Amino acid sequence: AQSVTQLGSHVSVSEGALVLLRCNYSSSVPPYLFWYVQYPNQGLQLLLKYTSAATLVKGINGFEAEFKKSETSFHLTKPSAHMSDAAEYFCAVSQGGKLIFGQGTELSVKP
Amino acid sequence: DAGITQSPRHKVTETGTPVTLRCHQTENHRYMYWYRQDPGHGLRLIHYSYGVKDTDKGEVSDGYSVSRSKTEDFLLTLESATSSQTSVYFCAISDPSGGMFFGPGTRLTVL
Repeated sequence: AQSVTQLGSHVSVSEGALVLLRCNYSSSVPPYLFWYVQYPNQGLQLLLKYTSAATLVKGINGFEAEFKKSETSFHLTKPSAHMSDAAEYFCAVSQGGKLIFGQGTELSVKP
Repeated sequence: DAGITQSPRHKVTETGTPVTLRCHQTENHRYMYWYRQDPGHGLRLIHYSYGVKDTDKGEVSDGYSVSRSKTEDFLLTLESATSSQTSVYFCAISDPSGGMFFGPGTRLTVL
């Protein structure tokens, strides 16, 4: 069975600093991978997805993620954090048409 | 935004009572899902549907049933609500490209 591990339940960065949210997956077949963002009291919004095309995937709001098969990783990055990026972020892997989610990482942005 | 609505958005009920949550989509997508979100657990799949009258269990299906009599509607029923079912419930649909889109959520409290 596939699974997803997000390293760090809470990450805090200063405004303007690099954002790095870590995600590792386990999969016996080439996976489809996703990052979602959830703002307080809202549903989940798709940030980006990897579907075996380019290994560097660009998403909305300046986020991007790189698929590294050798490291079984799909880390999410943004060069410069903005206050509006404060939210919870979820990594997910597709399995048989379903999504298996990591436990989430809450991102705080300090002024 | 994907056309997904959930009703009710908030509900408080008592232990032992039946509860039905409704998910409605206007996208005509085949796949629909019910997830629950709890702190420290991310999102966990309860049930999903791959067509009218075609449903299957997810990882946390005990105590829940679903029905799908029309493409656009997917109902989640708690036959006899328990306090452990206090949670936020999200409905989702997936498009043919594998993207999954979520509804706004239903906050359920079982007293």
